Formats: sequence, structure tokens, C-alpha cells
Amino acid sequence: EVQLVESGGGLVQPGGSLRLSCAASGFTFTDYALNWIRQVPGKGLEWISFISGVRHTTYYADSVKGRFAISRDNAKNSVFLQMNNLRVEDTAVYYCARDVSDYIGGAYSLIRFDPWGQGTLVTVSS
Amino acid sequence: EIVLTQSPGTLSLSPGERATLSCRASQSVSSSYLAWYQQRPGQSPRLLIYGASIRATGIPDRFSGSGSGTDFTLTISRLEPEDFAVYYCQQYGTSPRYSFGQGTKLEIK
Repeated sequence: EVQLVESGGGLVQPGGSLRLSCAASGFTFTDYALNWIRQVPGKGLEWISFISGVRHTTYYADSVKGRFAISRDNAKNSVFLQMNNLRVEDTAVYYCARDVSDYIGGAYSLIRFDPWGQGTLVTVSS
Repeated sequence: EIVLTQSPGTLSLSPGERATLSCRASQSVSSSYLAWYQQRPGQSPRLLIYGASIRATGIPDRFSGSGSGTDFTLTISRLEPEDFAVYYCQQYGTSPRYSFGQGTKLEIK
């Protein structure tokens, strides 16, 4: 069974740091990119970061660029999100999700997130 | 930046009825890069449709997706009690790499 399990959430003060982890199982980890997506309780979904499988190419949303860093340890089948200089508005449930695509005609297509982890809650408050 | 706008914000229907949810993009989106997700209360999002019209594994055939360019639709032919949830469309782009619509809440009338 393909599974993603997040951990590391908690309560942190504004300006503080936190490191989230996402442990993967049930698939060949290096074959897939991973993403972090967050959701303020009661609100919608916001994509925040991507890391590719082998080359570790990364992308970020403008809202977290320069403060958050995504990384992965392929030996441990895990992806991480280092969050620095946290703000009250970073309070959210953070999900990791596997990035799935089909290679068609020389390009990646049919891109989707599947599956998602159960999420971990990060609360930034004094 | 491509912005996805979903409508309606809330849809009130009864079990057995047909639901039609809309996702409109501010610029043309390749059908290959448009997906739909379902999020039930207290749960993580689940992939329903990708490539605008391809059902994900295990998704019942009462769910269907259609559309192209800037207008995409998720249709649920006959609502079951477990279908009452929030639905999000998503697109793959350039900057940002991915974006989601704001969601449509499907509630029991």
C-alpha cells in the first residue's frame, strides 16, 4: 500500500523554526517527486513546495520562498520541510503528497497528487 | 499566474440528484494538467479526476470530468451520502508550479 505519513507539527512562536517530515512507503521513492501543500483550518489548499526524485530540483510558492526549504533523504524514504522565521499566517495543516505523472511523447503529462498524507498541524502563536 | 475560480462556492442538493461543479481558469490550461480532488470532513484530499476526464483508481463511474481551455466541469451523476464534501480543482503551471481553486462545498439540502 502506498502511504505517506507526516510528523513534526506543533506549537511554535512567531519567528521560530520547525522541521516537518514525511515518511513514504509502498513505492520506489526515487521514482517520484514530492510536494508539500498546506491548508489553514476551514480554508482552501495552498501548494507550497516541490522536490524532484533524483536531481532534487526544488520549487517554492512565493509565500514561503526564502523561509522554507524542502529536502529529501532517498536512503530513508523521507522528505522534509524546514520552516524558518515562522509567521502567524503559516498556521495550517501541512500535507505531503506524491507527484505522479505519465511520460507521454517526450514530456511529463497527466500530473496529479496521489496519495496525500494525513497531515500535521503547525500552530504559530505567542 | 493562472487563477482557478470554482463555482458555486456552496451547492445544496439531495442524495440522488446530479451535481455540476465548475472550475474556470484565468488563462488556458492544458487538459493534461487539470485535476480534481475530494476532501471529506476531517480527511485528507483524495484524487478523483486527472487529465481533466480520467477517473483515478477506485473512483466510481458516477464521477466524470470534462472541459478544455479555460472551462472545466466535475459532474456527479447521482449523489450518494458520502459524496457530500469539498471539491477542489488543481492545475500545473509555471509560476507557481501548482495552484488550486478555492473549493466548492457540496452540502446536503
